[in-house]
Amino acid sequence: DVKVTQSSRYLVKRTGEKVFLECVQDMDHENMFWYRQDPGLGLRLIYFSYDVKMKEKGDIPEGYSVSREKKERFSLILESASTNQTSMYLCASSSPGQGASQYFGPGTRLLVL
Amino acid sequence: KNEVEQSPQNLTAQEGEFITINCSYSVGISALHWLQQHPGGGIVSLFMLSSGKKKHGRLIATINIQEKHSSLHITASHPRDSAVYICAVNYGGSQGNLIFGKGTKLSVKP
Repeated sequence: DVKVTQSSRYLVKRTGEKVFLECVQDMDHENMFWYRQDPGLGLRLIYFSYDVKMKEKGDIPEGYSVSREKKERFSLILESASTNQTSMYLCASSSPGQGASQYFGPGTRLLVL
Repeated sequence: KNEVEQSPQNLTAQEGEFITINCSYSVGISALHWLQQHPGGGIVSLFMLSSGKKKHGRLIATINIQEKHSSLHITASHPRDSAVYICAVNYGGSQGNLIFGKGTKLSVKP
């Protein structure tokens, strides 16, 4: 059974803290994605990666960075958390090529105070 | 700009009703996906379509490439179908990235 796991389901942080969100997949997928989901806005792509050590900006990369040192692991970093980064964060992975289904993790609900 | 529009935004139905959720998109695509998100956040892929029609249990998804339109149908709806249904597309030239609609929140009352 395919699996994408995220390091935390719920997280509370203070403004200015550095936040790490980790995602691990066990499907040997090349592609990995980080999204945030906000009411009324749907899913928006923050960053994606097509290979180890490779990253591409998505639609809303400001205030975020990512790291992919190993194929199975894709980390999202909030360098200095702000209240407008309070959101649901979802990680996904897929095999390469157009049309491949993405497999999602359970999500991390982050609250920045 | 590539856009994906879903309708309706919210839908309330009685158990047993036939349900249709619509999705339209603005440019040529290589594939269209229907996803389901239950309360609590997890998203699962229901269908991936590039043409025609697919059926899985009580769920049916169709796509009309010429009209740039897809529908998700649920027959004999049940309260456990209550979820947010999301349409997403791979547009031509992408490398697997998806563009998402904003979702349709379905509530099925017993």
